[in-house]
Amino acid sequence: NAGVTQTPKFQVLKTGQSMTLQCAQDMNHEYMSWYRQDPGMGLRLIHYSVGAGITDQGEVPNGYNVSRSTTEDFPLRLLSAAPSQTSVYFCASSYSAPTGAEAFFGQGTRLTVV
Amino acid sequence: GQQVMQIPQYQHVQEGEDFTTYCNSSTTLSNIQWYKQRPGGHPVFLIQLVKSGEVKKQKRLTFQFGEAKKNSSLHITATQTTDVGTYFCAGPEAAGNKLTFGGGTRVLVKP
Repeated sequence: NAGVTQTPKFQVLKTGQSMTLQCAQDMNHEYMSWYRQDPGMGLRLIHYSVGAGITDQGEVPNGYNVSRSTTEDFPLRLLSAAPSQTSVYFCASSYSAPTGAEAFFGQGTRLTVV
Repeated sequence: GQQVMQIPQYQHVQEGEDFTTYCNSSTTLSNIQWYKQRPGGHPVFLIQLVKSGEVKKQKRLTFQFGEAKKNSSLHITATQTTDVGTYFCAGPEAAGNKLTFGGGTRVLVKP
């Protein structure tokens, strides 16, 4: 079982460049989310989706866009990369909203913006 | 917004000793979840607690949900090197669509 797959695993961007972090899950989960992890700050929610066609902002959405055209995929777009976006990004999915379901995380994307 | 805090931020433990990490929420939670992240890895779900005062055990790990459903604890007995990692608690916001994580407790084990 693949679970949650993130690509790429590592990426270096120059300031001002744009890119898309890919996330796909094969568990037919309705709920998907993106987190960033910075040293000493835990996991902070960027955007989330409760189903295809529905997205909403989390705690730190500025500089990021998401879309959910299918149940399986939830890409995260960096519009104009900034050094402050250097972080480890995790995509997660769960069967339903967090009130009742464990989250499955991808392996992460380590992004460096120079 | 909801805040979830964990203490301590770091825990240095001698192999074989016990320790406890604590999680406190600014709001009442419908449930609390715990995750473990090994160094260089991704968070992995450990357990979910739902009921007030609930206690669950997984081998050497004991999880507790407070009576007021605003705090939780994780107690590890006879720490082993395999316990190394960061332990996160997480709780859903009242509306239920956002999962807020604590800052984590990073556990280092001295052999």
